[in-house]
Amino acid sequence: KAGVTQTPRYLIKTRGQQVTLSCSPISGHRSVSWYQQTPGQGLQFLFEYFSETQRNKGNFPGRFSGRQFSNSRSEMNVSTLELGDSALYLCASSLLVGRDTEAFFGQGTRLTVV
Amino acid sequence: DAKTTQPNSMESNEEEPVHLPCNHSTISGTDYIHWYRQLPSQGPEYVIHGLTSNVNNRMASLAIAEDRKSSTLILHRATLRDAAVYYCILRDVQIQGAQKLVFGQGTRLTINP
Repeated sequence: KAGVTQTPRYLIKTRGQQVTLSCSPISGHRSVSWYQQTPGQGLQFLFEYFSETQRNKGNFPGRFSGRQFSNSRSEMNVSTLELGDSALYLCASSLLVGRDTEAFFGQGTRLTVV
Repeated sequence: DAKTTQPNSMESNEEEPVHLPCNHSTISGTDYIHWYRQLPSQGPEYVIHGLTSNVNNRMASLAIAEDRKSSTLILHRATLRDAAVYYCILRDVQIQGAQKLVFGQGTRLTINP
């Protein structure tokens, strides 16, 4: 079956602009999480959605937001882009709920802010 | 968030076993231990997870100390394709069923041919 699909794969934006990234989870998966990966901070949790509700949020400013649609597809939005937002943004989906759930990651969207 | 400690890097030779250690002294009684790896230019990939007993799957084995304060990921015969950053993670569930993985810096594994 198809894996987690993230679009676009690469993106270049100018400081001050906004950007929307998309994630299509594995069919049947209802939990979608987003992560930011930078060389300095590593992989950091942004937020998680389940059945269109945000259940958990990481320590990021309000410029970072997301949503999930009824088909479990998710988008994340970053407004007023800063140079420091340049990163690999990863999306992960999960089928089950609970502590022992396996997460499946997409290949990420590489965002460059200039 | 419960923390894990891993060596920054390790090196091994192809076709030899590799033991990747992880310390998690603040683990709670219901935290699961998960391992993920990230190959170059890819998203993280699930490897294995366990709670108390040792676990085996087609990719690796997970040995968990009796006091659960440490664990070891074992790759039985390393190949060049196993070169990656390996992350040891304790599942943090703040809300029933919530999914949040807290990644540390991981161990960069180099495999020599």
